[in-house]
Amino acid sequence: NAGVTQTPKFQVLKTGQSMTLQCAQDMNHNSMYWYRQDPGMGLRLIYYSASEGTTDKGEVPNGYNVSRLNKREFSLRLESAAPSQTSVYFCASSDPGLPEAFFGQGTRLTVV
Amino acid sequence: AQRVTQPEKLLSVFKGAPVELKCNYSYSGSPELFWYVQYSRQRLQLLLRHISRESIKGFTADLNKGETSFHLKKPFAQEEDSAMYYCALRGDSWGKLQFGAGTQVVVTP
Repeated sequence: NAGVTQTPKFQVLKTGQSMTLQCAQDMNHNSMYWYRQDPGMGLRLIYYSASEGTTDKGEVPNGYNVSRLNKREFSLRLESAAPSQTSVYFCASSDPGLPEAFFGQGTRLTVV
Repeated sequence: AQRVTQPEKLLSVFKGAPVELKCNYSYSGSPELFWYVQYSRQRLQLLLRHISRESIKGFTADLNKGETSFHLKKPFAQEEDSAMYYCALRGDSWGKLQFGAGTQVVVTP
């Protein structure tokens, strides 16, 4: 049982480049989330998708876009990467009433 | 606005000593409170939630609504407890989590 899988694990981008972070879950959860983790700031919600076909902004959405491709997959896109987007990105999934959210292993992104 | 505060960035304790991680929150309704843990090179995982009132790996956490706190405690720290600990609040039905800044715990022998 893979749970939540993120690709890639590591990425280095130049300022202005674009890329898409992929996330897939095999637990049939309705809700999926993207967080970024920065030292001293914890995890902050970028975007979330409460169910297939819906997406909403979280606390720090600027510079990002998302796509809920189907129930399993939720991708995060950086259209024009900036050094301020250097971070570790986590995808998570859950369902209403579940006691916990399940996290992927993270993507470490460096923008130079 | 909801907020979760973890005042300690780093806690260094000796093996066998008690450890307490502080967490305070602000929320206008009745939130769910959680402790998540991230061991080195592992993904974030749930440690405790206030509703279950259970002890996991020797850790306990009590929700104090009067003080709006959810401190995590363990009477005797072990080296394997070294990790990053996050307090988190869930306030709505969409499952969104509001995290604190995290506390790095280092247990030395």
